Amino acid sequence: NAGVTQTPKFQVLKTGQSMTLQCAQDMNHNSMYWYRQDPGMGLRLIYYSASEGTTDKGEVPNGYNVSRLNKREFSLRLESAAPSQTSVYFCASSEQGGYNEQFFGPGTRLTVL
Amino acid sequence: KNEVEQSPQNLTAQEGEFITINCSYSVGISALHWLQQHPGGGIVSLFMLSSGKKKHGRLIATINIQEKHSSLHITASHPRDSAVYICAVSTRYTGTASKLTFGTGTRLQVTL
Repeated sequence: NAGVTQTPKFQVLKTGQSMTLQCAQDMNHNSMYWYRQDPGMGLRLIYYSASEGTTDKGEVPNGYNVSRLNKREFSLRLESAAPSQTSVYFCASSEQGGYNEQFFGPGTRLTVL
Repeated sequence: KNEVEQSPQNLTAQEGEFITINCSYSVGISALHWLQQHPGGGIVSLFMLSSGKKKHGRLIATINIQEKHSSLHITASHPRDSAVYICAVSTRYTGTASKLTFGTGTRLQVTL
C-alpha cells in the first residue's frame, strides 16, 4: 500500500497563476484533509471532506477550492496564487469520527513569487 | 492564546539523555496525538491516546485529562530521534467530522 500520495512534491508559481495539488489514498478512508504548514505556526486546516461527495471549509479556506473526485482522491486548487500561499501543503486521510489516526502524505512545497 | 501549547520550543540533548516534551490544551478533546516530522520529511503518527499511558519502544506518551496535559518521553535518546515533535488534539468539527488542532512543535536535536 502506498498510503497517502501527493503530487507534485515541489512547485514554483508566479503570482496570479493557478494550479491543482493532487492527493490520493489507498486505505479506503472516508475522511480527507488539506493542511498548510508555515514557519512558527502549527498545521492549519484548509478544507476537509468528511466523506465522498462532501467538502467543508476549515480554518483558512480563502483562496482555495477543493474537489473530492471519488473516495480515493481529494484535490486542492489555487485559482490565482498569491505570495501569502507560499507554504508546505499536506494532505491527510482517516476513518470517520473523532478518534481516528490521521495518515499524512509527504507534502508539497509551494513557492509563489 | 493557542488552543494547543507545547514546551519547550527547542531542545538539545546529548545521546542517552531522558527527554520530556510537554503539551497543554484548552479545549475538550476526543483524543490527543503525538506526531513526528523529520527535516524535509513527512509527518508520522507516533501515538494517539485519550487516557493513561502508551509505550512504543523508547517512546512513552502520557495524558492527564483532568489537567488537560500530555507528555512525550524519550528514553535513552539517540541522534536519529532528532526531529520536530508535534502535539495535536482531535475535536469534533461538524457532523461526524473531526479536526486536528496542532501545536507549533518542539524541535529536538540529539547530539553525540
